[in-house]
Amino acid sequence: AQSVSQHNHHVILSEAASLELGCNYSYGGTVNLFWYVQYPGQHLQLLLKYFSGDPLVKGIKGFEAEFIKSKFSFNLRKPSVQWSDTAEYFCAVNAGDKIIFGKGTRLHILP
Amino acid sequence: DTAVSQTPKYLVTQMGNDKSIKCEQNLGHDTMYWYKQDSKKFLKIMFSYNNKELIINETVPNRFSPKSPDKAHLNLHINSLELGDSAVYFCASSQVGGAGNSPLHFGNGTRLTVT
Repeated sequence: AQSVSQHNHHVILSEAASLELGCNYSYGGTVNLFWYVQYPGQHLQLLLKYFSGDPLVKGIKGFEAEFIKSKFSFNLRKPSVQWSDTAEYFCAVNAGDKIIFGKGTRLHILP
Repeated sequence: DTAVSQTPKYLVTQMGNDKSIKCEQNLGHDTMYWYKQDSKKFLKIMFSYNNKELIINETVPNRFSPKSPDKAHLNLHINSLELGDSAVYFCASSQVGGAGNSPLHFGNGTRLTVT
């Protein structure tokens, strides 16, 4: 069965720290991968997506993610986080007709 | 100018009642979805419609019935509400049928509280 695993449930960092959030997926077909962000009290917004080509994709607000096919991973990174990055982050993978989400990682940035 | 709009934003009701949540998208997308987000923020797909046709129906109680009068609207009707139905329900749409490589555009969510 298709699945998405996010290993970090809750991450706390200080401003200017570097960030890496792990995401692994399980799906036998060609994958399209996404990271979404949900700011407190808001809906989910697309951060970045990978469809094909360069496995290192850049998204909004300085985020990037790297698709490593051999590891079935799509980790999210940001070199220097800001307080405004406090949010819930969801990794997602398309699986046939639908997009499946991971359980999310709550990121809390200390000012 | 909201791309995906859902109403109401908040819904508080008692067990046993029937309620509806409405969703409309003005993006011209072919596919619309309902997702349920529980108290632990876990997002789970419930239904998907492609151009008014049901294409995904996950393991959801029969009390939940989606209705799509046209491809721009996907409403969710819930009968005999239970405490466990309390959650945030998100409507979403995507350009290509079956999601594929087309990202989702989410509405602002409806927080349903069943007392």
